[in-house]
Amino acid sequence: GAVVSQHPSWVICKSGTSVKIECRSLDFQATTMFWYRQFPKQSLMLMATSNEGSKATYEQGVEKDKFLINHASLTLSTLTVTSAHPEDSSFYICSAKGQFSYNSPLHFGNGTRLTVT
Amino acid sequence: GQNIDQPTEMTATEGAIVQINCTYQTSGFNGLFWYQQHAGEAPTFLSYNVLDGLEEKGRFSSFLSRSKGYSYLLLKELQMKDSASYLCAVGTGANNLFFGTGTRLTVIP
Repeated sequence: GAVVSQHPSWVICKSGTSVKIECRSLDFQATTMFWYRQFPKQSLMLMATSNEGSKATYEQGVEKDKFLINHASLTLSTLTVTSAHPEDSSFYICSAKGQFSYNSPLHFGNGTRLTVT
Repeated sequence: GQNIDQPTEMTATEGAIVQINCTYQTSGFNGLFWYQQHAGEAPTFLSYNVLDGLEEKGRFSSFLSRSKGYSYLLLKELQMKDSASYLCAVGTGANNLFFGTGTRLTVIP
């Protein structure tokens, strides 16, 4: 089945630094990738949608200058949390859809737990 | 806007049947998904409904009524490992997937 790889699984960084999270589709071409954030005991909140070769579409309330998304190829999207602060500590999950799977389930990465100290 | 409602928590007994309800109001509808998520892990796909009716898959079944904006996930013969969060998600016309708040199910012996 379709596999999405997310890296790193966890990261601890100091306040003010930047962190890059990678999301790769391993056996299919992902024309669309989604980035979600999940705080403890809460559901997934969509942050942004990225389409290969174009700018990401951010959800209301998500700072695009803080959460930089790059989808340079059909198999890779990256999320960079710039100038991270403790309130950015969360579980970040990416997911991907193939080109001809508009009604098929998303395939999720295993998530990245970010802790900002 | 999107509005998806689920109960926050449910408790059920091992071997029993539990029904988790989900109501939704969304702009655009490409189908309703149910995901299971264990703590600290990514969600895993359980079921997909785009037409009204019941879809059965082993111990899990999912029902959809588009006119009522309503779905439920039915879990039969509950096992301890079924303790998890169950997320209702709606696919929208923009090809996005919006999640409900999730229902934390606790299965007790």
